[in-house]
Amino acid sequence: AQSVTQLGSHVSVSEGALVLLRCNYSSSVPPYLFWYVQYPNQGLQLLLKYTSAATLVKGINGFEAEFKKSETSFHLTKPSAHMSDAAEYFCAVSDSAGGTSYGKLTFGQGTILTVHP
Amino acid sequence: KAGVTQTPRYLIKTRGQQVTLSCSPISGHRSVSWYQQTPGQGLQFLFEYFSETQRNKGNFPGRFSGRQFSNSRSEMNVSTLELGDSALYLCASSSQGLGNTIYFGEGSWLTVV
Repeated sequence: AQSVTQLGSHVSVSEGALVLLRCNYSSSVPPYLFWYVQYPNQGLQLLLKYTSAATLVKGINGFEAEFKKSETSFHLTKPSAHMSDAAEYFCAVSDSAGGTSYGKLTFGQGTILTVHP
Repeated sequence: KAGVTQTPRYLIKTRGQQVTLSCSPISGHRSVSWYQQTPGQGLQFLFEYFSETQRNKGNFPGRFSGRQFSNSRSEMNVSTLELGDSALYLCASSSQGLGNTIYFGEGSWLTVV
């Protein structure tokens, strides 16, 4: 079974500082990895995804993530935090084993990002 | 094009009742998945439908069920509601193919009293 671990349920940064949200996965097959953001009282919005095309993935709103197979990691970064980045972030892995599932994701527990002025 | 649409957005039910939630996927998407989100358990996969067939099911009791119609619209039903069923229920849709983007709706907030 696949699993995702997000280190740190809460991360606090100052506006303009580097954002680093950590995600480690466990998968027996090459994974598809996703980062989603959730603003209060809203659904999930895709930030970026890794599907083996390139190890450094650029997403929306200045976020990017690097897939490191040797470390089984897919950490999310943004060089300079903005107040509007305050939200909850979820790392997820797609259960592609057997090729029968298109919509099943296993999520991490989420990381709440707080941005201080 | 329109995103994933879920109805109703908010609802309150009494313990023991049943509830039906509806989801309209993005046009052309034939895969619809449902997730439950709670503060304690996080985001958990309920089930996935593709072309009216259930392809995967999460670890939930039989009180949770779903179906998909020929137009890809989906419903999920929870019978004999319990207080612990209070949650945000998210619907997601995707096109056929592994690694395709999975798009989420705004969710249906269910409160069981």
